Amino acid sequence: AQSVAQPEDQVNVAEGNPLTVKCTYSVSGNPYLFWYVQYPNRGLQFLLKYITGDNLVKGSYGFEAEFNKSQTSFHLKKPSALVSDSALYFCAVRDGGDSNYQLIWGAGTKLIIKP
Amino acid sequence: DAGITQSPRHKVTETGTPVTLRCHQTENHRYMYWYRQDPGHGLRLIHYSYGVKDTDKGEVSDGYSVSRSKTEDFLLTLESATSSQTSVYFCAIKSGLNTGELFFGEGSRLTVL
Repeated sequence: AQSVAQPEDQVNVAEGNPLTVKCTYSVSGNPYLFWYVQYPNRGLQFLLKYITGDNLVKGSYGFEAEFNKSQTSFHLKKPSALVSDSALYFCAVRDGGDSNYQLIWGAGTKLIIKP
Repeated sequence: DAGITQSPRHKVTETGTPVTLRCHQTENHRYMYWYRQDPGHGLRLIHYSYGVKDTDKGEVSDGYSVSRSKTEDFLLTLESATSSQTSVYFCAIKSGLNTGELFFGEGSRLTVL
């Protein structure tokens, strides 16, 4: 069965420190991986994706994510956190062979950046 | 801005009443989706559409129906609302790329009393 796990409900980081939000996945075919961010009372915004190629992908707002095939992980990272990064983060995966483009979503991780 | 508008943004209704949520897009995308978001569950797919009059069920479709009579509009209907359908509903469209990333509306908060 296809699934996405975000093992931490909440991550707390001090401003200026590096942050990591974890995501592991299970998919039968080639994984297409995505990160989204949701600010309070807003819709989800696309941050970045991994399809193929370089395992380190860069996205919006200074975020990057590292694809690790052996560990089936796609952790979101940022070298220096900002208070404005505080939000809810979702990891999603789809089977690259799925012609209906359906995404499987993690439950979300709340990121809190403290000044 | 992906050109997605949801209406209404907020609605309070009573158990047993019908409710329709509307999603409107301005960019002529083929795929549209309705999700619900509940604490601890992330996003769950209700229904999706892959073209005019072409729709299919998602993982939590019971109690919901959809219609898509024209490309730009995707309607979600709760025939007889229940308290378990209190949620935030998001519409999304798939980008034109084959990689499949979605772009979301701002959400519709529904409270069923």
